[in-house]
Amino acid sequence: DVKVTQSSRYLVKRTGEKVFLECVQDMDHENMFWYRQDPGLGLRLIYFSYDVKMKEKGDIPEGYSVSREKKERFSLILESASTNQTSMYLCASRRTGETQYFGPGTRLLVL
Amino acid sequence: GNSVTQMEGPVTLSEEAFLTINCTYTATGYPSLFWYVQYPGEGLQLLLKATKADDKGSNKGFEATYRKETTSFHLEKGSVQVSDSAVYFCALSPYAGQGGKLIFGQGTELSVKP
Repeated sequence: DVKVTQSSRYLVKRTGEKVFLECVQDMDHENMFWYRQDPGLGLRLIYFSYDVKMKEKGDIPEGYSVSREKKERFSLILESASTNQTSMYLCASRRTGETQYFGPGTRLLVL
Repeated sequence: GNSVTQMEGPVTLSEEAFLTINCTYTATGYPSLFWYVQYPGEGLQLLLKATKADDKGSNKGFEATYRKETTSFHLEKGSVQVSDSAVYFCALSPYAGQGGKLIFGQGTELSVKP
């Protein structure tokens, strides 16, 4: 079974803090994704990566950056957290041509 | 551009009722279509998919048919159970190649009462 894990289920941070969200997959997938999920808006793509050290902006990259130093790990970074980044963050991975598999999500609250 | 529109929720049904959740899409080319389900407190799981026109995806009693002429992928189940209570997301993937990002609808919450 494919396993996508995220470092935290719940996170509380203060405005202006630097926040790291980590995602690890164990199936050697080339492609990894970060989405945020908000009520009434569904999931929106923040960034994705199709290989180590490669990254592409999604639909809402502003205020975020990413890092992919190893194939199995894809990190989402909030350089200076703001209250409008309070959300559920979902990581996913896939082998090219196949289905996306999702992690359990990290619910982030920025105070 | 590419987009997905789902019927608004929440949808509340009694156990054993028939379920339809409407999904329509706008896309260039020939996208693949998906239904994902999110149970309370969990991430998304793939429920079913269809990769070309007239394909029918099915799983756990749920079905959806890829209708190119009406650009639709409606989710149906003949008899829902309390355990089907979840949020359902329709999604499309414009291409299967490198990256292969998904574009999601807004989600439809389903609540099934005993």
